[in-house]
Amino acid sequence: GENVEQHPSTLSVQEGDSAVIKCTYSDSASNYFPWYKQELGKGPQLIIDIRSNVGEKKDQRIAVTLNKTAKHFSLHITETQPEDSAVYFCAASIMNRDDKIIFGKGTRLHILP
Amino acid sequence: NAGVTQTPKFQVLKTGQSMTLQCAQDMNHEYMSWYRQDPGMGLRLIHYSVGAGITDQGEVPNGYNVSRSTTEDFPLRLLSAAPSQTSVYFCASSYLSGTEHLFFNYGYTFGSGTRLTVV
Repeated sequence: GENVEQHPSTLSVQEGDSAVIKCTYSDSASNYFPWYKQELGKGPQLIIDIRSNVGEKKDQRIAVTLNKTAKHFSLHITETQPEDSAVYFCAASIMNRDDKIIFGKGTRLHILP
Repeated sequence: NAGVTQTPKFQVLKTGQSMTLQCAQDMNHEYMSWYRQDPGMGLRLIHYSVGAGITDQGEVPNGYNVSRSTTEDFPLRLLSAAPSQTSVYFCASSYLSGTEHLFFNYGYTFGSGTRLTVV
């Protein structure tokens, strides 16, 4: 089955700097890659996603890139702010009837003042 | 605008007790699933359902049962609780969309979680 590896497990960046979180997936059939943000005591929330027919997608300060050949995808957060501090999860999914999402183990992002 | 509602928020069980974690969504989502979250392990899929009357196992199904009698509800049952089931449990739902032959899972909505402790 699908396996998603996520790095780093913890990331600290100065406020205003950029943060990058990287993920790899094992199943070349995966074609949907969402990213979730989880704040303390809450459930994960979808922040951006990308499909395999697209190489990059942006939404204000966040962007996701996908390299299908290398089977890796990344989340980029620019001009980081204190409210970006959270745990971020990448995930991969395959388009079929029994579709399910497999998550990475998460990255705890700390924004330093 | 309830979204996905999980009850209870907190629960303490004794080893061997049974209980049901409730999950309900009001978005008419076909797809529903249960995850458990443990420190350093991320979110692991327990069971999922692509529609009423259809369920399937995820990565860590042992010790858990599910049923899907309606589109709205997807309860998770622990038949005989064990300390290894101490965790935070999340229910999630989404649309399925696609052609007659393909269904595409699209954007989960998560509940706020149930923190379960088994002593």
